[in-house]
Amino acid sequence: GESVGLHLPTLSVQEGDNSIINCAYSNSASDYFIWYKQESGKGPQFIIDIRSNMDKRQGQRVTVLLNKTVKHLSLQIAATQPGDSAVYFCAETDDYKLSFGAGTTVTVRA
Amino acid sequence: EPEVTQTPSHQVTQMGQEVILRCVPISNHLYFYWYRQILGQKVEFLVSFYNNEISEKSEIFDDQFSVERPDGSNFTLKIRSTKLEDSAMYFCASSIAENNSPLHFGNGTRLTVT
Repeated sequence: GESVGLHLPTLSVQEGDNSIINCAYSNSASDYFIWYKQESGKGPQFIIDIRSNMDKRQGQRVTVLLNKTVKHLSLQIAATQPGDSAVYFCAETDDYKLSFGAGTTVTVRA
Repeated sequence: EPEVTQTPSHQVTQMGQEVILRCVPISNHLYFYWYRQILGQKVEFLVSFYNNEISEKSEIFDDQFSVERPDGSNFTLKIRSTKLEDSAMYFCASSIAENNSPLHFGNGTRLTVT
């Protein structure tokens, strides 16, 4: 069936380094993708989105890359900070419904 | 910054009891959603709601579930007869448009069914 998934369930990063979180999706008809951050005890928080007619979008310290050929999405966080420690989810729209991947837990080491 | 608010933050109920989870979406948003997250698992879609009607629902959203927008600000999820497996975090979300628009989530209600 169609699914959204992440390559690695956990990622440990040294403070100040760049983080790269990957996501693979299988629905080639998906046209909108979002990265969310979820901290303990909170709901998913919007980070950045990208439409399928783009392959890169930048925000503040974050960049999302979309490769439609291999159906791959990534989130890059520059100069990772302790406050970036959280679970990161990619999500895609499928018939106007947002479907989430399983999540990558990012831990920032001081 | 406007936000989605949910009450209560934690609800404990006995199996078979009815629960109502409440949400106040962002005021100028038109599309409303409920998602749930079982501990340690991914966020799962339950239902979407627009113009006082359900737009789409998942297989999880069976006859025990219902949603309502009783007034101009609240959006509720009712579970008529709770089961142990209904224990999860329930997130309400809203968006300004149906597609190509991010969903904004509340901080959730943790439902514990004993």
